[in-house]
Amino acid sequence: AQSVAQPEDQVNVAEGNPLTVKCTYSVSGNPYLFWYVQYPNRGLQFLLKYITGDNLVKGSYGFEAEFNKSQTSFHLKKPSALVSDSALYFCAVRAMYSGGGADGLTFGKGTHLIIQP
Amino acid sequence: DVKVTQSSRYLVKRTGEKVFLECVQDMDHENMFWYRQDPGLGLRLIYFSYDVKMKEKGDIPEGYSVSREKKERFSLILESASTNQTSMYLCASSSAGTGGRETQYFGPGTRLLVL
Repeated sequence: AQSVAQPEDQVNVAEGNPLTVKCTYSVSGNPYLFWYVQYPNRGLQFLLKYITGDNLVKGSYGFEAEFNKSQTSFHLKKPSALVSDSALYFCAVRAMYSGGGADGLTFGKGTHLIIQP
Repeated sequence: DVKVTQSSRYLVKRTGEKVFLECVQDMDHENMFWYRQDPGLGLRLIYFSYDVKMKEKGDIPEGYSVSREKKERFSLILESASTNQTSMYLCASSSAGTGGRETQYFGPGTRLLVL
């Protein structure tokens, strides 16, 4: 069974400071890792994903994430936080599988990111 | 842009009613998914479909069924709504592929209240 842990329910950061939202995962085999953001009363928006290759993945709105296989982590980062980054962030994982078909994502419980002016 | 739409943003139903949640995507995606989102639990997969008339159970299928008669449309059915099905329901779609690397794109969600 696969799982995702987001150890912090809430992260508070001052505007202009760097931010990190933590994610660790457990999966059999090679993982595909995703970050989504949810603004109030909205659906999830895709930010970035790790498939293979470079461990540092760049995504939308200046966010990036670093895949660390030995620590089974995929932390989301941004060099300089904006008040508009305040939202709920979800990490998700899917194990690589062979063949076609489909498979759902396993999500973490989410982290509220609050950027203070 | 990928567009996933859901028929209602807010829905109030009574216990025992049959409830239909509709999802439509306009990107010709093969795969469609239904999740429910609850505070402190994240998103949990209810059902998914990789082709018309095909369906697979997710992690929490009990009390739900689905229908996919057309490629663009995926319906979630609550046969007899109960108060513990009060939740936010999110539909997603993705293109077909191999290995699972495809991105899922989400609709705006339907917030369902069962009284």
